Amino acid sequence: NAGVMQNPRHLVRRRGQEARLRCSPMKGHSHVYWYRQLPEEGLKFMVYLQKENIIDESGMPKERFSAEFPKEGPSILRIQQVVRGDSAAYFCASSPQTGRNEKLFFGSGTQLSVL
Amino acid sequence: SQQGEEDPQALSIQEGENATMNCSYKTSINNLQWYRQNSGRGLVHLILIRSNEREKHSGRLRVTLDTSKKSSSLLITASRAADTASYFCATGNFGNEKLTFGTGTRLTIIP
Repeated sequence: NAGVMQNPRHLVRRRGQEARLRCSPMKGHSHVYWYRQLPEEGLKFMVYLQKENIIDESGMPKERFSAEFPKEGPSILRIQQVVRGDSAAYFCASSPQTGRNEKLFFGSGTQLSVL
Repeated sequence: SQQGEEDPQALSIQEGENATMNCSYKTSINNLQWYRQNSGRGLVHLILIRSNEREKHSGRLRVTLDTSKKSSSLLITASRAADTASYFCATGNFGNEKLTFGTGTRLTIIP
């Protein structure tokens, strides 16, 4: 069984461009979480989605950031007009439909570098 | 602010010794989990302990939870070079779905 798949693994953008990060959860998982990690720091929660619904976006900046998890296809984290401060590792995690706060399965992350 | 705070921030020990890491948190939880992260990789779940449990074992891992002190410890026995990684605690809170991660302990095992 494939794990959580994230792509691209590395993404380089210039200031002002858009960044699109993709995440395919594990088969059978309908809950997706996005986290951001700065160097030498822990993971900061951004957003929690179920299919076609944003459940909790309390960790997402109000501007420039958006996330979706359509009925078909991967979850997308979109960052518009990127700035240098957006440079970080972005991790996606998934969990099965049942069980709250149960263990998460993480992808290998997307390292975003903004020049 | 982070829910969990691990200490120490960094720990270096000789191979074969035991490693102990601690995690403190602030609010009521329904479970606490420990994850490992190898450099440049995603997190891997190690063990979950529920708020009504005090101790749990998995292989060379032993986790304790003291809800009165809002703290947990992770013990890795007979450490190996492959245990070199960052270790994070994460708390699951009543009333919401997300896990909140601590700042991590960087563990280095010296061969």
